[in-house]
Parts: sequence; structure tokens; C-alpha cells
Amino acid sequence: DGGITQSPKYLFRKEGQNVTLSCEQNLNHDAMYWYRQDPGQGLRLIYYSQIVNDFQKGDIAEGYSVSREKKESFPLTVTSAQKNPTAFYLCASSEQGVGEQYFGPGTRLTVT
Amino acid sequence: GQQVMQIPQYQHVQEGEDFTTYCNSSTTLSNIQWYKQRPGGHPVFLIQLVKSGEVKKQKRLTFQFGEAKKNSSLHITATQTTDVGTYFCAGLMTTDSWGKFQFGAGTQVVVTP
Repeated sequence: DGGITQSPKYLFRKEGQNVTLSCEQNLNHDAMYWYRQDPGQGLRLIYYSQIVNDFQKGDIAEGYSVSREKKESFPLTVTSAQKNPTAFYLCASSEQGVGEQYFGPGTRLTVT
Repeated sequence: GQQVMQIPQYQHVQEGEDFTTYCNSSTTLSNIQWYKQRPGGHPVFLIQLVKSGEVKKQKRLTFQFGEAKKNSSLHITATQTTDVGTYFCAGLMTTDSWGKFQFGAGTQVVVTP
């Protein structure tokens, strides 16, 4: 069953803690993306990666970090420097950087 | 600020009616994609438009890309309750690098039976 998995679905953390969100795909896609979704604001790009060991900052990269050590995995770390981390986080992948994006089910992060 | 604007933000439609949602960019786009997100779900790809003036149809959905490649529209005819959700456009600016799509804020569609 091919697709993108994100875990966990819901995540709760205390302020000041770093947290890592998982994203795995078995679609053999080169490109992977992380988006943040807040109510009424659509999706905003955090980081994207075209190929293993390479990634680029999106529009709101501050307070986040990523790695791309394997083609199928693109974990996102929300650091304590991120001022408003509570949000719905979506991971996506595409075969090419300009093609259809396949989204995972998302992780809803709540930081208190 | 947001470079891709979508209007309207909310659309209340009676079942059987038609409606249109619009997407406007401040700069020329290489291509534009449309996604649908059901309540509690994740965005699902609907279509991609690449050519100036392109029109594509999917059953009751008609997608159009403007001649100047700065705007797009999604028209739904004979709305059904299954059309409920938020529709997003995502544009790739000609000035931006590969993969950096700009999403609009979405049009949230509510259908009254």
C-alpha cells in the first residue's frame, strides 16, 4: 500500500521542548515538503527537499530544522525557538518538483 | 505577504447550484495546481494547469488558467453534498525556484441540502 505516513497524528509538548515529526514515503519520490497549516491561512511552506542530503528553506523556516539522509524519510524538528508551534503539520512528496503533490494525513501539534 | 489570493474565503451553496472560486497571483505563474481538503483531512490533488488559457474538466468541475497566467478559476456545477470542503490553489511563480509552491488561503465550501 503506497503512500505517505506521518506519525503521530496528535502530539502534545510543553513549551521549551524540541519535538520531531516523522514523515515517510514509499512512492520513490525525489521531492519532499513540509507545510504548516493554520486556520484561515492555507498552507505555508517550511522546508523542501529535491534530493537526498539537500534541502531548501521555505517561507517560514525559522525555528524549524530538517534532514534528508534517506530518500524515503524527511523528519521535521520543531525547536524551542519557534514562537508559535501549535499548528497542523503536513508532509508531502512529488515525483518531480513541479508535479502533483501527495500529502500525508498530518500531525496536529499542541504546545502548552 | 501572501502572493496568491483566493476569493471568496467562504462559499455557502444550496445543493444543485453552481459556484466559482477564483485564484489571483501578483506575479506570473509557471503552473497552477488545485487541491481539495475535506474537513479533518489532508489536501488531495485535483488538477494541474500549465498552458496559458488552458481549460480542463473533471465531471462537474471546470478549471481554467488565465491568458496572462496570473489567475485561475474552479467552477462547480450542480453542487452536491460531497463537494463540501476547502479548495486550495497552489501556484509556482516563474521567479521562484523549483518546488516552492505558494498556496492560497482556500475557499471553504458549505453545501446546504
